[in-house]
Amino acid sequence: KAGVTQTPRYLIKTRGQQVTLSCSPISGHRSVSWYQQTPGQGLQFLFEYFSETQRNKGNFPGRFSGRQFSNSRSEMNVSTLELGDSALYLCASSLVGRGDTEAFFGQGTRLTVV
Amino acid sequence: KNEVEQSPQNLTAQEGEFITINCSYSVGISALHWLQQHPGGGIVSLFMLSSGKKKHGRLIATINIQEKHSSLHITASHPRDSAVYICAVRSSGGGADGLTFGKGTHLIIQP
Repeated sequence: KAGVTQTPRYLIKTRGQQVTLSCSPISGHRSVSWYQQTPGQGLQFLFEYFSETQRNKGNFPGRFSGRQFSNSRSEMNVSTLELGDSALYLCASSLVGRGDTEAFFGQGTRLTVV
Repeated sequence: KNEVEQSPQNLTAQEGEFITINCSYSVGISALHWLQQHPGGGIVSLFMLSSGKKKHGRLIATINIQEKHSSLHITASHPRDSAVYICAVRSSGGGADGLTFGKGTHLIIQP
């Protein structure tokens, strides 16, 4: 059974540009959550999608957005990139995204903004 | 103040030692997760707990809901256990329903 796949693994962008990251969940999983990891702030919740609907959102500016497709694959987009957006972006999938369901993480996309 | 506090932040031990990592949280939770992150970034879910104790191989995780505290134990530690161990909780209250993470415990097991 394939795990959670994130693409690309590494990305370098310039300030002001926008970026789109992709996450393919485990087959059959309907919930995808996105997280940002930085050395200073650690892991922080960005948003969660379930059945193509954003169910929850963390405390991030509107430059961070996402969507989920009918096959449960999810994308997140960051517009007008800032140096502080440099981070490891992780997605996690679970069957239904309830508190008592296990989350499976991808390898992450390491974004560097220069 | 972070809602999830882990201790210690860094831990270096010799191969074979018994390891304990602690996690305290301040909110009501529906579940607590223990995660392992190796250099390179990938995260592996070790345990998901809502009560009691779970064991998998040399790893044991316990949780005390009343005291809002969980521990991760590693028996007969091995250099391959070297990683960052992260505690995460999912709140049972309203608001954002994603996981809230501790800062992690950086574990090094020396041969």
